[in-house]
Amino acid sequence: GQQLNQSPQSMFIQEGEDVSMNCTSSSIFNTWLWYKQDPGEGPVLLIALYKAGELTSNGRLTAQFGITRKDSFLNISASIPSDVGIYFCAGPSGNTGKLIFGQGTTLQVKP
Amino acid sequence: DGGITQSPKYLFRKEGQNVTLSCEQNLNHDAMYWYRQDPGQGLRLIYYSQIVNDFQKGDIAEGYSVSREKKESFPLTVTSAQKNPTAFYLCASSSQGGGTYGYTFGSGTRLTVV
Repeated sequence: GQQLNQSPQSMFIQEGEDVSMNCTSSSIFNTWLWYKQDPGEGPVLLIALYKAGELTSNGRLTAQFGITRKDSFLNISASIPSDVGIYFCAGPSGNTGKLIFGQGTTLQVKP
Repeated sequence: DGGITQSPKYLFRKEGQNVTLSCEQNLNHDAMYWYRQDPGQGLRLIYYSQIVNDFQKGDIAEGYSVSREKKESFPLTVTSAQKNPTAFYLCASSSQGGGTYGYTFGSGTRLTVV
């Protein structure tokens, strides 16, 4: 079945550094979604991408819909301590209306 | 404000007891979902419902049960048959286009078996 693979699994960075993470699949996706989960809370939608090659920003976050439609990237510039959490990518599972989620990238930021 | 509410935030259960987790939404969403999250792990789908009075098993339904009698509510019961119930449980909802526009998640219930 469809699967989303996120890398890296975890990152430990210094405050102020830029962060890059990605999500790949063997299947084509028409939508890519990026969520952030704060510790002890539910995931919150950060960015939605609907077109191959699309580049969308939300503050210090920038996400890209890969041209092959099999991958997506999330970048965080000038990280701050509140960026700590788990970042999930997600995409639609065929025509079921359901989402498939990646396993997440855990980000820790050292002040 | 519209949203999705899970209660309680923390729940303790004795072994052998059933316990029910509440999930209520006022977003007028048709679909609702329950996920389980273990420490350092991703999200695993337990049950989902795309319409009132209908629901389907997800990937890890054994030891859990649900009902969907109202559009707004999708309670999850963790039964004594669930061998390892300690986890963080997340409820989510979406419009019928959930695969395109995404889910709205609740803030979760942390269940601990004591």
